[in-house]
Amino acid sequence: GAVVSQHPSRVICKSGTSVKIECRSLDFQATTMFWYRQFPKQSLMLMATSNEGSKATYEQGVEKDKFLINHASLTLSTLTVTSAHPEDSSFYICSAEDRSSYNSPLHFGNGTRLTVT
Amino acid sequence: GDSVTQMEGPVTLSEEAFLTINCTYTATGYPSLFWYVQYPGEGLQLLLKATKADDKGSNKGFEATYRKETTSFHLEKGSVQVSDSAVYFCALIRDQTGANNLFFGTGTRLTVIP
Repeated sequence: GAVVSQHPSRVICKSGTSVKIECRSLDFQATTMFWYRQFPKQSLMLMATSNEGSKATYEQGVEKDKFLINHASLTLSTLTVTSAHPEDSSFYICSAEDRSSYNSPLHFGNGTRLTVT
Repeated sequence: GDSVTQMEGPVTLSEEAFLTINCTYTATGYPSLFWYVQYPGEGLQLLLKATKADDKGSNKGFEATYRKETTSFHLEKGSVQVSDSAVYFCALIRDQTGANNLFFGTGTRLTVIP
């Protein structure tokens, strides 16, 4: 079945550094990918919608200069947390839309646990 | 390991019909359970949630009850509308934080016809 690979699964970085998270669709083309953030014990918050070849659409309250999203190909979207701070520590998860699948069009990565020290 | 099993779609119903989308889970501990909805062209939206056994989540006419004895969280609505056409995802979140504490079902596409 369709698989989305998200890497890394865990990352620890120092405050002020940048971290890049990759989201790859392994056996389908993903015109649209979504990035979410999960706060402890809470549900997902949509951060942005990423469309291949165009600028991402950010949800209200999400800083586009802080969370850089690039969707340069139909199989890869990246989220870069720039100048990370401890409050950016969270669980980030991506999902990719498979428009060729009518039944199950959305597939999820396993998430990235970011800890900023 | 933890997992969520969701009724396969697609599901096609006439307007005002009764909806049930089955969801069962496997988990250690005491997870929280969620239903998310994805409308065409949009990201996931939280539809409802339940954080402990016997809790009932409800929103927009949808309901789901956290049944620990049957490890289920079935989504129901008494009278669906065309605007309910979307893909629905059941999800489980573990109580503790970790590298991967979030598990989704495969999604069920619902189409409601007038």
